[in-house]
Formats: sequence, structure tokens, C-alpha cells
Amino acid sequence: NAGVTQTPKFQVLKTGQSMTLQCAQDMNHEYMSWYRQDPGMGLRLIHYSVGAGITDQGEVPNGYNVSRSTTEDFPLRLLSAAPSQTSVYFCASRRLAGEGNEQFFGPGTRLTVL
Amino acid sequence: AQSVSQHNHHVILSEAASLELGCNYSYGGTVNLFWYVQYPGQHLQLLLKYFSGDPLVKGIKGFEAEFIKSKFSFNLRKPSVQWSDTAEYFCALSNAGKSTFGDGTTLTVKP
Repeated sequence: NAGVTQTPKFQVLKTGQSMTLQCAQDMNHEYMSWYRQDPGMGLRLIHYSVGAGITDQGEVPNGYNVSRSTTEDFPLRLLSAAPSQTSVYFCASRRLAGEGNEQFFGPGTRLTVL
Repeated sequence: AQSVSQHNHHVILSEAASLELGCNYSYGGTVNLFWYVQYPGQHLQLLLKYFSGDPLVKGIKGFEAEFIKSKFSFNLRKPSVQWSDTAEYFCALSNAGKSTFGDGTTLTVKP
């Protein structure tokens, strides 16, 4: 199993550009989520999904869109990048319910918006 | 609403010192509780988890945590830290809905 994969690993954008961060998992997990990590602010939930066709907002959803057309993929779209979106982005997945449903994290995408 | 609170933002210890990181949660139902570790430049990895049974759970690298239901706490402990334990530590809870993380505690171990 590859686990959770993310692409790209690094990205530099100019203000106003759009892009999609890719996330895929091969563990058949129902739950997938996107976090951003900024110094001193821990992990903040952007969007999450409990299954194909179902998404919901987290703490900091503004400026980001998601879709979940398949169980495996959960892309995160930046519509018009802003410097405030400079961050490290992590995708994670887990089983929806059950005992010990720990999250598995991808390696992260380091995004810089100029 | 569910929440996780970590008491210490930054802890500095010397090697061989004992460690205890506090974590309290707020949630009315059955929860799964976790501690994750993030080494510098890496992604989060599971350290240990509690979902039922013995409230004292043991994880990797000599870490353990105790679930105290009456105090809504899940504190992380290690009897003797090493320089290689320098990392950021996150407490988290999950239920059938979303997962919630604490703000993290940065642990620096001086050699």
C-alpha cells in the first residue's frame, strides 16, 4: 500500500493564480481531510469528507474548494491564491468509525504564495 | 461541539528527564483518543491510541498515556526522554464524525 500520497511536494504561486493540490489514498478509507499547518497554530482543518459525494467545511474553509468524486481522491483547490495561504498542507484519511480509527497523513505540500 | 486542549505550548527538557504533556478534551460521547508526533520536516505519525479497555496505553519509543474519563484527560508520559524525542506532539480525538486536534506541544530535548 502506498498509503496517503500528495502532489506536488513544493509549489510557488503568484497572487491570484489557481491550483489544485492532489491527495489520494489506497486504503479504502471513508474519511478524508485537509489541514494547513502554520507556525504556532497547530493543525487547522480546512475541509473534510465522510464519503464519496459528501464534503463539509472545517475551521478555515475560505478560499478553498474540495470535491470527492471517488473514495480514493480528495483534491483541494485554491481558487485565487493569496499570500495568507502560504502554508504546509497535509491530507489525511481514516476509517469513518470503529475502534482505533487513527488518521494516516500524507507527506505534505509546502505552498508559497508571492 | 468537540475540542482538544493541550496545556503546554513549548517544553524544554534535558536528556533523561521525565516528560508529561497534558491533554484535555471536550466531547459528550464515546471517543477515540490519540497522540501523534511530528519530527522536524516530517508529517504526523501515530504515537499511541486509546479506544477501549485498559486506560493505560503504551505506544512506540517508550511513550505511554493514561485515559482518565472523570477528568476528560489523556496525558502523555515518558520516564526518560532522549534528544531524538525532539518533535511536536499533538493530542487528537475522533468519533464517527470529524477529527479534532490540539494546538500541539513543541518538545525540545537538550543533549
